Amino acid sequence: QVQLVESGGGVVQPGRSLRLSCAASGFTFSSFGMHWVRQAPGKGLEWVAVISYDGIMKYYADSVKGRFTISRDNSKNTLYLQMNSLRAEDTAVYFCAKAPHSSGEHNWFDPWGQGTLVTVSS
Amino acid sequence: SYVLTQPPSVSVAPGQTARITCGGNNIGSKSVHWYQQKPGQAPVLVVYDDSDRPSGIPERFSGSNSGNTATLTISRVEAGDEADYYCQVWDSSRDLHVFGTGTKVTVL
Repeated sequence: QVQLVESGGGVVQPGRSLRLSCAASGFTFSSFGMHWVRQAPGKGLEWVAVISYDGIMKYYADSVKGRFTISRDNSKNTLYLQMNSLRAEDTAVYFCAKAPHSSGEHNWFDPWGQGTLVTVSS
Repeated sequence: SYVLTQPPSVSVAPGQTARITCGGNNIGSKSVHWYQQKPGQAPVLVVYDDSDRPSGIPERFSGSNSGNTATLTISRVEAGDEADYYCQVWDSSRDLHVFGTGTKVTVL
């Protein structure tokens, strides 16, 4: 079955960087788009970024554009989120999720990983 | 930016029907997807493309979309349906995905 496992979360100071990973298994990773979605404590869901199956097309939420970079390594079945210039408002659980097809557009998210917590605090 | 508005909460008795709305400008022209999230868990897709159900989701979950409102309907509500529900669309004018504000469903 499809399995997504996030890692890399932790406590980081404002202005510093962190890289999240999402290890995928149970499907042909290189054929599907992949997403990052986050949820601040006690808040709703916020889409962060999506990448197409081949890593060429990438889209970002306005709140992270220019600071976060989504990437993937299809040889390792792994999705990444490089987060730079972190702010307190980036504190959230970060989920990776699989797209239903190869592109990042007109997608739904299914399934989701269990998430990894990022806390930005001094 | 495209805004999706949901009621903060909906309360329903067991066995009754819960209707959760998702309002957006001409949302009927978009494909709407719905997620269920229980406390401490990752969201789960319950309806995609307005009214389709993923495998494993009970027929009690259904969706519709027209005009400025999309609706998730949960029939014969059970205690296990108590959760937060979110709608989601692709905003093609800005190339980004948008989630609704979320609705907490309480089973009385």
